[in-house]
Amino acid sequence: EVQLVQSGAEVKTPGESLKISCKGSGYSFTNYWIGWVRQMPGKGLEWMGIIYPGHSETKYSPSFQGQVTISVDKSISTAYLQWSSLKASDTAIYYCARQMRDSSSGYITHFDPWGQGTLVTVSS
Amino acid sequence: DIVMTQSPDSLAVSLGERATINCKSSQNVLKTSDNKNYLAWYRQKPGQPPSLLIYWASTRESGVPDRFSGSGSGTDFTLTISSLQAEDVAVYYCQQYYTTPYSFGQGTKLDIK
Repeated sequence: EVQLVQSGAEVKTPGESLKISCKGSGYSFTNYWIGWVRQMPGKGLEWMGIIYPGHSETKYSPSFQGQVTISVDKSISTAYLQWSSLKASDTAIYYCARQMRDSSSGYITHFDPWGQGTLVTVSS
Repeated sequence: DIVMTQSPDSLAVSLGERATINCKSSQNVLKTSDNKNYLAWYRQKPGQPPSLLIYWASTRESGVPDRFSGSGSGTDFTLTISSLQAEDVAVYYCQQYYTTPYSFGQGTKLDIK
């Protein structure tokens, strides 16, 4: 069974750093892009960026470029999302998801499956 | 960036009736090289992560009931639930994967009337 299991909820104060994780299993981790999606309280989904574990290429949304860092450790099939200095506005649920690839064209396609989500609360 | 706009923002439909959700992209998401619409639909039930319903605008994901269907091409797309069931109460999102950033619509909240 293909699964993405995310790290647990975090409570942080503004200015702190944080790294959350997403561990893939049941498939060839290095052959699929992994993406991160933000969902602020009561709001919709925002695409943050993706990483290809095979060679660590990343693509960021302009809205999140420079605000977060996406990385991967392919030896343990785990992707990461990190902040160097959290703000209260970073409070949200963060989902990772495997981004599929079209077998004939190689183009990146839809997200499937999704991790269970990590709630990050930033409050003084 | 491609902006995805869904309508309506919310709707309430009686059990057994049809529900229709629309999604409009600010740019064409039909790729001429493979003649495919780079659009997916997801369902997010309360307290759960999103899950895939439809990809390539009209291909139903394995295990998704056939009451769910997707249609449209280019910039205008529709998700239809032919006979609403109680378990379909959720927020529905469209997403384009034509070009980064792979943007989502704002979501449509579906309730039982």
